[in-house]
Amino acid sequence: AQSVTQPDIHITVSEGASLELRCNYSYGATPYLFWYVQSPGQGLQLLLKYFSGDTLVQGIKGFEAEFKRSQSSFNLRKPSVHWSDAAEYFCAVGPPGYQKVTFGIGTKLQVIP
Amino acid sequence: DARVTQTPRHKVTEMGQEVTMRCQPILGHNTVFWYRQTMMQGLELLAYFRNRAPLDDSGMPKDRFSAEMPDATLATLKIQPSEPRDSAVYFCASGATPGQGANEQYFGPGTRLTVT
Repeated sequence: AQSVTQPDIHITVSEGASLELRCNYSYGATPYLFWYVQSPGQGLQLLLKYFSGDTLVQGIKGFEAEFKRSQSSFNLRKPSVHWSDAAEYFCAVGPPGYQKVTFGIGTKLQVIP
Repeated sequence: DARVTQTPRHKVTEMGQEVTMRCQPILGHNTVFWYRQTMMQGLELLAYFRNRAPLDDSGMPKDRFSAEMPDATLATLKIQPSEPRDSAVYFCASGATPGQGANEQYFGPGTRLTVT
């Protein structure tokens, strides 16, 4: 069975600082991997996705993520955080070509001035 | 700007009442998901449909929850009778035909349900 672990429930960073949100997955083969963002009172929005090819993927809003098969990880990064990035971030994993995914518990990001 | 719409956005009801939540998927999307989000459980998949047929509703309490797609432009989630533990935000998401790359899900804004 597939599963996702986001070890950090809450992270606080200063505006302008770099950010890395961790995601570890469990799946028997190469999965489809996603990062979604949820702003307060909103639905989830896709930031980026990986299913094959280059292991470093670029997303919207200046985010990127790197797929590391050896570590079963798909960490999300941003070099310089903006106050508007404060939100909750969800990592998700699913079988190739299959839409049903498993979401992590989410990491809530707080950005301080 | 294509988006998933959900109605109502907020619903307060008393225990025992029927609740119906509606979702209009993005035009052309043939897969619809229903999720429930709570602080304690996070995001849980309740059910999902492809081409209006239910593919998986194993996450849904069968005794009180039901999900349908009367047509390709409308998905409904009903709770009857509602209970306080059903208080949560319910999200609908839609997606395009699978197998064409990594198909993401497009989420609606959610229905915040409070059962008193």
